[in-house]
Order: sequence, then C-alpha cells, then structure tokens
Amino acid sequence: DAGVTQSPTHLIKTRGQQVTLRCSPKSGHDTVSWYQQALGQGPQFIFQYYEEEERQRGNFPDRFSGHQFPNYSSELNVNALLLGDSALYLCASSPAFGKSYGYTFGSGTRLTVV
Amino acid sequence: SQQGEEDPQALSIQEGENATMNCSYKTSINNLQWYRQNSGRGLVHLILIRSNEREKHSGRLRVTLDTSKKSSSLLITASRAADTASYFCATDAVAGGTSYGKLTFGQGTILTVHP
Repeated sequence: DAGVTQSPTHLIKTRGQQVTLRCSPKSGHDTVSWYQQALGQGPQFIFQYYEEEERQRGNFPDRFSGHQFPNYSSELNVNALLLGDSALYLCASSPAFGKSYGYTFGSGTRLTVV
Repeated sequence: SQQGEEDPQALSIQEGENATMNCSYKTSINNLQWYRQNSGRGLVHLILIRSNEREKHSGRLRVTLDTSKKSSSLLITASRAADTASYFCATDAVAGGTSYGKLTFGQGTILTVHP
C-alpha cells in the first residue's frame, strides 16, 4: 500500500522563478495538507484541500497557492520565489475531512532557491 | 507561530536507557500528536492523545497529557539506535467541532541513541 508520494524529491530554482510541487495522497485518503519546514524548525501549516477546495490556510502570502484534482492529488505552487522559501515542503493526507487523525506524511520536496 | 515547545532541544543517551521528551503548548486543544522525523525526511505519526485522555501506550511509547498544565510527555523505553531521530509534538486546532488538519508543531527534540 503506497503511502504519500511527493515529487520531485529535490529542486533548485532561481529567485523570482515559479515552482510546482506535486503530491499523491495515500490510497483511501481524500484530504491533503501542505507544510513548510525550514532547517532546524518544526513544520508550518500552509493550507489544506478537500473536495478540490482550499479549506484552511496558514500564515503564508498569496504567492503560495494550491490545487486539488478529482483523484485527490494536489499541487503546491509558489510564485516569485525568495531565498527564504528554501525549505522542505511536506504533504500530508488523511482519510476524512474534519476528523482528527494522525496524518500520513510524504518524504517531502527539498526546495533550494539561489 | 509555534505553539508546542519541546524540551530538551537535544537528548543523548545509551541504548537500553529510557528517553523522556516534554512538550508545552499555549491554547486549548482537541488532541496532541507526536511525530518522528529521520534526517530531514517525512514525519511518521507515533501516537495521538485526545484532550480527555491522560495516558496512552503504544509498544515502547508512553504519552501523558496534562491539560491543566498544558503539557505532554513522550517516554521511549529501552531505547535502540534506530530510535535516533527528531521528535515533534503537534497540536490540532478544532473549530466548531471540525479539525482542519492545521497541526501546530514545536521545534522538536533531537534524540541520539548511542549503541
């Protein structure tokens, strides 16, 4: 049973560019959340998607946007990249929106902005 | 902002010893969760304890929750070298009975278990 799959695993971008990260949730999961984890810090919540809609958003600027597809997979887009956007981006899925479960995380995408 | 604060920031022990990590938080919670992260990879869910529970066990893990002190502890008994990882507590905000998956993490405790 595949868990949460994220791609790519590593990415290097230049300041000002745009990036798209992808996530496939665990089989049977329909809710996807995205987190940003800076080096030496705990993850910070970006937003959550369910039924192709953004349901909750953390303290991130509009440069961060997302999408969820009918097959429950999700994308995270970041525009106008800043050096401070360098981080590990984690996707987490859960089986039921609105219910509190332990979440299943992917291995993350390491984004480096130069 | 980080709600959970783990203590200590780093812990170094020998195999076979017990490891205790503490977590404090600031606001009311629905539940508190503990996760493990190996070498900057993905997080692995260890255990979830609800606000009406005081203690929970899972294998070699024991978690306690004291909502009056807004604190939790994670005990790993008979530690192994494979337990070497970062450990995070995370609180789940629930509004109107709905969880939005907005986990708020602390900065973590780095545990090193020496063979």
